[in-house]
Amino acid sequence: NAGVTQTPKFRILKIGQSMTLQCTQDMNHNYMYWYRQDPGMGLKLIYYSVGAGITDKGEVPNGYNVSRSTTEDFPLRLELAAPSQTSVYFCASSGLRGGDYGYTFGSGTRLTVV
Amino acid sequence: AQSVAQPEDQVNVAEGNPLTVKCTYSVSGNPYLFWYVQYPNRGLQFLLKYITGDNLVKGSYGFEAEFNKSQTSFHLKKPSALVSDSALYFCAVREPGNQFYFGTGTSLTVIP
Repeated sequence: NAGVTQTPKFRILKIGQSMTLQCTQDMNHNYMYWYRQDPGMGLKLIYYSVGAGITDKGEVPNGYNVSRSTTEDFPLRLELAAPSQTSVYFCASSGLRGGDYGYTFGSGTRLTVV
Repeated sequence: AQSVAQPEDQVNVAEGNPLTVKCTYSVSGNPYLFWYVQYPNRGLQFLLKYITGDNLVKGSYGFEAEFNKSQTSFHLKKPSALVSDSALYFCAVREPGNQFYFGTGTSLTVIP
């Protein structure tokens, strides 16, 4: 049971480039989330999804897009990378709304925009 | 509005001593409270939660936390710290049906 898998683990982007951060879970969880983690700032919710075909904005959605075509996958898209998007990105999933029994997190993607 | 505060960025404790990592919260309803631990270059791992019931909650790796409604606190504790407990600890809170709000994290260093 792999849990939540994120790829890539590390990436360096140039300003203006685009990329997709991949997230897959094999626990049949309905709820999936994307967070970014900045030093001293905790985790900020970017987007979340309550099921296939349904997504919604979190606290800091600007500059990002998501899609949820299947239960398993929840990719995060950066269209025009900016230095402010340098961060560590975590995908998480939960079986119940809001994670009553806690989230399962992926191991993260460390992104640097130069 | 919901919020969660971890007043200490850094906590240092000697190995074998008790440790406490503090968390206070602000919610309008009955909170669900969680602690997560993050080891270097890893995702967050669930430690324990309080939903309802006994105010003292026991979790993984010998950690426990006490829910104090009057002080709106949910401090993480362990009777005897290990060097391997050194990590980043996050408190999280949410109201039922709403999203999580995470604290800014507390870096725990256990000194041999």
